[in-house]
Amino acid sequence: DQQVKQNSPSLSVQEGRISILNCDYTNSMFDYFLWYKKYPAEGPTFLISISSIKDKNEDGRFTVFLNKSAKHLSLHIVPSQPGDSAVYFCAAGRGTYKYIFGTGTRLKVLA
Amino acid sequence: EAEVAQSPRYKITEKSQAVAFWCDPISGHATLYWYRQILGQGPELLVQFQDESVVDDSQLPKDRFSAERLKGVDSTLKIQPAELGDSAMYLCASSLDPGALRGYTFGSGTRLTVV
Repeated sequence: DQQVKQNSPSLSVQEGRISILNCDYTNSMFDYFLWYKKYPAEGPTFLISISSIKDKNEDGRFTVFLNKSAKHLSLHIVPSQPGDSAVYFCAAGRGTYKYIFGTGTRLKVLA
Repeated sequence: EAEVAQSPRYKITEKSQAVAFWCDPISGHATLYWYRQILGQGPELLVQFQDESVVDDSQLPKDRFSAERLKGVDSTLKIQPAELGDSAMYLCASSLDPGALRGYTFGSGTRLTVV
């Protein structure tokens, strides 16, 4: 049973436009959520996080939105740049313990 | 910027052989994690250490996998005997405290191919 799901395996966006990556979770006990970015042949790199007491967290071009009632979070990248092309993983945890990762979404930003 | 060091980067081994991976976390990071990422899937936690103690190894196939962090610094993950299904990327990560909201710092991983 997959507790963290990223239903879109891939996404293509034009440079300068908004990229929206989605993530759904099933466990209502999760209260911390992270997004990681992964380039080929490298380990995942932490991008941005949000706790369940917030519904939005912003860091530069990256914004994460959390909808607790829908058990859904999304990552918005505005404006998208070719260097953003990577695989993005969301991760969820309870009490900041044992994060469970989604299967990833491959983002391709077209120049 | 401090990094998590892993070696080797790539490993090809025959099934039934033994294989070992090494990880050196960021200095001062008490929490160390080993993850396995099968192609097309997200990273899956195998084992979590707090200093030299195992905090969680519930997903570690203990009949063939072992992990140690003897002095609470670097760590070794071993597979014996390796099976074809063990082919994956093995990622080590560390953090100052468990589940830090700043996230973990991952190493570049060891890609294992079992033939």
